[in-house]
Amino acid sequence: KNEVEQSPQNLTAQEGEFITINCSYSVGISALHWLQQHPGGGIVSLFMLSSGKKKHGRLIATINIQEKHSSLHITASHPRDSAVYICAVIIETSGSRLTFGEGTQLTVNP
Amino acid sequence: DTAVSQTPKYLVTQMGNDKSIKCEQNLGHDTMYWYKQDSKKFLKIMFSYNNKELIINETVPNRFSPKSPDKAHLNLHINSLELGDSAVYFCASSLSGAGHPFFGSGTQLSVL
Repeated sequence: KNEVEQSPQNLTAQEGEFITINCSYSVGISALHWLQQHPGGGIVSLFMLSSGKKKHGRLIATINIQEKHSSLHITASHPRDSAVYICAVIIETSGSRLTFGEGTQLTVNP
Repeated sequence: DTAVSQTPKYLVTQMGNDKSIKCEQNLGHDTMYWYKQDSKKFLKIMFSYNNKELIINETVPNRFSPKSPDKAHLNLHINSLELGDSAVYFCASSLSGAGHPFFGSGTQLSVL
């Protein structure tokens, strides 16, 4: 079983919908990252969290350390948000090693 | 200017060949990584270097050898390529191993 689990694996939404992607982990972490992989393959780091909440434009990321859970929200979704969203954690005892979830494929239809 | 650049973008080769993928970052970061993304899009770390020193070496066959001539470069050399090596390989860098990772655009390796 992977130490980082994401849900859902696939998500299809209509333009304008509010989207939530969830990430649960089973180990102690020092930080959690949300990454976006574009259809062309490039990977971009969206957020790095160790507590609380961060917002960037229409994207919001939250983390609950006690519950070992993080969510990525997209407000007013747009077709250009279509991508794979990947949760990754730095396990406390692992130095700087990122351990990845399997990703969530998001498709936003116009 | 591209922050993390890796070449080539596509690499098609025969089983048994030796090939290299190059990676360079111009961000002044001190930590660089190689990740492998399999056919199911699952990412896994292979190696991490900090200031040219090997920090992380996951369970990767000895046929894979990273080389860091300076902290801006981390190249990946693969000997005796096998079919199972086919994947996308990503280079990345970060500041002090704990900051936002910046990824290269990936190298699609196909072993025939």
